[in-house]
Amino acid sequence: AQSVTQLDSHVSVSEGTPVLLRCNYSSSYSPSLFWYVQHPNKGLQLLLKYTSAATLVKGINGFEAEFKKSETSFHLTKPSAHMSDAAEYFCVVSDRGSSNTGKLIFGQGTTLQVKP
Amino acid sequence: DTEVTQTPKHLVMGMTNKKSLKCEQHMGHRAMYWYKQKAKKPPELMFVYSYEKLSINESVPSRFSPECPNSSLLNLHLHALQPEDSALYLCASSRSGQPSYEQYFGPGTRLTVT
Repeated sequence: AQSVTQLDSHVSVSEGTPVLLRCNYSSSYSPSLFWYVQHPNKGLQLLLKYTSAATLVKGINGFEAEFKKSETSFHLTKPSAHMSDAAEYFCVVSDRGSSNTGKLIFGQGTTLQVKP
Repeated sequence: DTEVTQTPKHLVMGMTNKKSLKCEQHMGHRAMYWYKQKAKKPPELMFVYSYEKLSINESVPSRFSPECPNSSLLNLHLHALQPEDSALYLCASSRSGQPSYEQYFGPGTRLTVT
């Protein structure tokens, strides 16, 4: 069965410094992996996805993630944090399941705080 | 256009009321989803429709009744809810139900049951 572990429940960075949000996954299949962001009282926005093409995936707003099969990791990074990056971030794996329907398995989320 | 719309944005209802949540997408997606999200938690899947047929029901109580009138619309009918059903209800859609396709989420309906 697929599962996702986000290693930090809360990350605090200063504006202009790098961001690292860590995610490990477990999957019986070649996984599809996603990062979503949720700003307060908003829906979820897709940042980027990995679906077995390039292992370094570039997303929106300067975010990128690297798929490392040997480490079963899919960490999210950004070179320089902006105040507007403060939000909840979810690492997600798509569970193929018996019906081959894409159920999303969410991590517990990481709250990113950006200090001025 | 990668927009999923949801109405209403906020809803307050009593435990004896009947109300409906509405979701709409015009991306030609053939899979649509309902999620429930409590504060400080990830979304929990409730229902999946694939090609307008219910394909997944995550053992949701019968006081929640989904409906997919056509490929663009998804409704969630609510009846005799409990205060613990208060949450953010999110709708999503994807190109199909295949696992590799990303889901696009709407802004949600904030439901309060009094």
